[in-house]
Amino acid sequence: GAGVSQSPSNKVTEKGKDVELRCDPISGHTALYWYRQRLGQGLEFLIYFQGNSAPDKSGLPSDRFSAERTGESVSTLTIQRTQQEDSAVYLCASSSNTVSSNQPQHFGDGTRLSIL
Amino acid sequence: GDSVTQMEGPVTLSEEAFLTINCTYTATGYPSLFWYVQYPGEGLQLLLKATKADDKGSNKGFEATYRKETTSFHLEKGSVQVSDSAVYFCALREGTGRRALTFGSGTRLQVQP
Repeated sequence: GAGVSQSPSNKVTEKGKDVELRCDPISGHTALYWYRQRLGQGLEFLIYFQGNSAPDKSGLPSDRFSAERTGESVSTLTIQRTQQEDSAVYLCASSSNTVSSNQPQHFGDGTRLSIL
Repeated sequence: GDSVTQMEGPVTLSEEAFLTINCTYTATGYPSLFWYVQYPGEGLQLLLKATKADDKGSNKGFEATYRKETTSFHLEKGSVQVSDSAVYFCALREGTGRRALTFGSGTRLQVQP
């Protein structure tokens, strides 16, 4: 069966440009998460979508970062006016989690973003 | 806030050696605890989990026991193989509220033949 799919797998762009990263969650998964993994470090939470509820944006590092999700489908993470410190692997995860359940998160392979 | 602390790597072992990767956590509630593994060139995969105190998660010969009294979730394996070489991440998720994971910084394991 299909897992979490992310695109592009690699993105190289110049400082100051905008980038858009895409995540296709596992079908039927109501919860979707974005994380950032800087080189040699653990994952940092960015944003969380749960069904039609308002997203939890508490992990977004600045107002240059935003994300959208339509219903329980695809999500896009947008970084405006990219900076070199934005270079990282951006990981998406989905789960069939609800507020009361405790399902594991399934991760995509990530998008490796490099800012020149 | 929540946090997870792992032993720093890399950990280098010979094949068939005993493995322990330490993990301790700080959380305000009663979290679920996880170990994720990232093999070279692959995505992050769930290795095992435990959802309440004294639970033992196990998978592929790895084990970890949820110790509330010491706020720990150490990963162990009795006999490692070269194919176990990977980066291991300890993580927690609070029982209520935001369902995102809080990760440790990861521990690289290198197993030599």
